[in-house]
Amino acid sequence: DQQVKQNSPSLSVQEGRISILNCDYTNSMFDYFLWYKKYPAEGPTFLISISSIKDKNEDGRFTVFLNKSAKHLSLHIVPSQPGDSAVYFCAAMSGGTSYGKLTFGQGTILTVHP
Amino acid sequence: EAGVTQSPTHLIKTRGQQATLRCSPISGHTSVYWYQQALGLGLQFLLWYDEGEERNRGNFPPRFSGRQFPNYSSELNVNALELEDSALYLCASSLDPWGRGYTFGSGTRLTVV
Repeated sequence: DQQVKQNSPSLSVQEGRISILNCDYTNSMFDYFLWYKKYPAEGPTFLISISSIKDKNEDGRFTVFLNKSAKHLSLHIVPSQPGDSAVYFCAAMSGGTSYGKLTFGQGTILTVHP
Repeated sequence: EAGVTQSPTHLIKTRGQQATLRCSPISGHTSVYWYQQALGLGLQFLLWYDEGEERNRGNFPPRFSGRQFPNYSSELNVNALELEDSALYLCASSLDPWGRGYTFGSGTRLTVV
């Protein structure tokens, strides 16, 4: 049962344009969401997060939007740069017995062309 | 500051054997997490250790086990290896179990033949 889904395996964007990466989830108990970026031969690195009490969080070029009614979150990168080319994972967490456990999506490969 | 280090980088084992993977967290981090990334899948949560105790466990069979040592380093053991155990195993450490402070290592690529 894939509770967090990234339905686009890949995304190609021109440098300077906006990149929009999408993520859907099914578990209504999730209350904290994160995005990670992963380069080849490296571990994922934390990018940005959002709590379920918010619908938007911004950090520089990166903005995460959360639509709880649609169980959907998205990551916007503006403007996109070639160095942003990587695999992006969304992840979700809830409390209770799932405390400390991140549930990840399958990842989206972002390619930013110069 | 040294990051999370994992060893070995690559490991090749035969079906039925045991594999031991090691992780050294960032200095001062008491929590260690193990994740499995099989081909084409996202990261799957395996285990969380904190202060030497297993705090949470993912949906994996008991042949996946581990421990955390007094210096907070950790070991993941996989017994009776099966072909589908072939994956990248990632370790992360943090002070904060909410994922914001996770620092991942580069992983151990386990291949079962």
